[in-house]
Amino acid sequence: QKEVEQNSGPLSVPEGAIASLNCTYSDRGSQSFFWYRQYSGKSPELIMSIYSNGDKEDGRFTAQLNKASQYVSLLIRDSQPSDSATYLCAVSGAGSYQLTFGKGTKLSVIP
Amino acid sequence: DVKVTQSSRYLVKRTGEKVFLECVQDMDHENMFWYRQDPGLGLRLIYFSYDVKMKEKGDIPEGYSVSREKKERFSLILESASTNQTSMYLCASSSGQDVEELFFGEGSRLTVL
Repeated sequence: QKEVEQNSGPLSVPEGAIASLNCTYSDRGSQSFFWYRQYSGKSPELIMSIYSNGDKEDGRFTAQLNKASQYVSLLIRDSQPSDSATYLCAVSGAGSYQLTFGKGTKLSVIP
Repeated sequence: DVKVTQSSRYLVKRTGEKVFLECVQDMDHENMFWYRQDPGLGLRLIYFSYDVKMKEKGDIPEGYSVSREKKERFSLILESASTNQTSMYLCASSSGQDVEELFFGEGSRLTVL
C-alpha cells in the first residue's frame, strides 16, 4: 500500500512569513509529485508539480524534491491570509493513472 | 473554461437505497476518477476509468460500482447505500497525456440516514 504522509497541522504563520509544508512517501518508485490547495468547502486545485530532484519555483511558491530521502516540500514565501487552506501532497508512480494523496496540512496565515 | 460538473451538490438518502452520482466533463479527457473525502482520512480513490467502458478499482471499491458509457460521463453507483458511505464524493478528470493534473468537480455531499 503506497503511503503519503503529511503533518495534519494546523500550521499557523504570521502574514509575510515563510510557510513550510512537508510530505514523505513510501513508494521509492514514485515519479511525479504534486501540491494541491483546497479551500474550505471547495475542491482541490493544482498549484505545483515537480518531477526531478531539486527546487522548482513559481511565484511565491517553491517545491522541493529529494527522492533519496523520499521527501517533498512546499515553501510559501510572503504568506498571505488568502493562502489559508489545506494543502494536499500527491504522488504517482511511473506509468500510473493514479495519484495517492496525503491527508493534507491545514495552513492558517494570521494577519 | 474547463469544467467538471457533478449532478448533485447535496443528497440525503436512506439506508438500502440505490444512489447514482453523475459526473460530466467537457474537456475531452480520457481519464476520470471518483474519490471520497472524509475528515482525518483524506482523499481516497474509489474507481477510475481510462477509456470508455473501461474501469479499474481504486483503493476502496467495496460497496461501489461505476459506469462509463460515454467519454464525457462517469457515474458512481451505490447499489445499497449504508451509513458508512456518508461522505463528500469528488469526481475528477485528466487528459491521457498529462494524467497528473486532476480537474475536480465541486463535490457531492451524500448523507445516508
